[in-house]
Amino acid sequence: QKEVEQNSGPLSVPEGAIASLNCTYSDRGSQSFFWYRQYSGKSPELIMSIYSNGDKEDGRFTAQLNKASQYVSLLIRDSQPSDSATYLCAVTAQYSSASKIIFGSGTRLSIRP
Amino acid sequence: ETGVTQTPRHLVMGMTNKKSLKCEQHLGHNAMYWYKQSAKKPLELMFVYNFKEQTENNSVPSRFSPECPNSSHLFLHLHTLQPEDSALYLCASRSQETQYFGPGTRLLVL
Repeated sequence: QKEVEQNSGPLSVPEGAIASLNCTYSDRGSQSFFWYRQYSGKSPELIMSIYSNGDKEDGRFTAQLNKASQYVSLLIRDSQPSDSATYLCAVTAQYSSASKIIFGSGTRLSIRP
Repeated sequence: ETGVTQTPRHLVMGMTNKKSLKCEQHLGHNAMYWYKQSAKKPLELMFVYNFKEQTENNSVPSRFSPECPNSSHLFLHLHTLQPEDSALYLCASRSQETQYFGPGTRLLVL
């Protein structure tokens, strides 16, 4: 079982709609959760972090965490063509003392005009 | 700009060459990382340094040799690479909870 799982996509969403990206993780001890956005040929850019159960909103982005279900999601409201990218879910690994963050393989999101 | 810089941004090398990638951060972070990202593949963690000490080597071939002389600098020394080593090499540094990436070095091995 992969430690962090994401649907690879592509996920196609019409402009202006809500894009919903999902991620599950296997380490129940994980405490910190992140969403990164990566444009083609560029490095990942941190867009959201969440540490406690519930929702966290930042502009058009909302991260949702459910530790009991080991599930974290990212909602993008009013999707724009510029949101087209690969979104990486990342989770801290509690079993390592080395500040290790585990990344999922990413979901490719395409916003169609 | 995340405050993590990498040089060079692009590198083409032959299989017999020796080259080094450099990463620098002045964010006061104590953990630094090397990742490899091949085309259409997920990020692969290569090495982790915590307070200048290597704490993770993710079964990386010995033709990749990391060096961390201080908390602000991280190097990846390359020698006798193979064409399949062509990839984007990303450096990252981490504060308490957040990890920031540099722009990466796009490496092509001929």
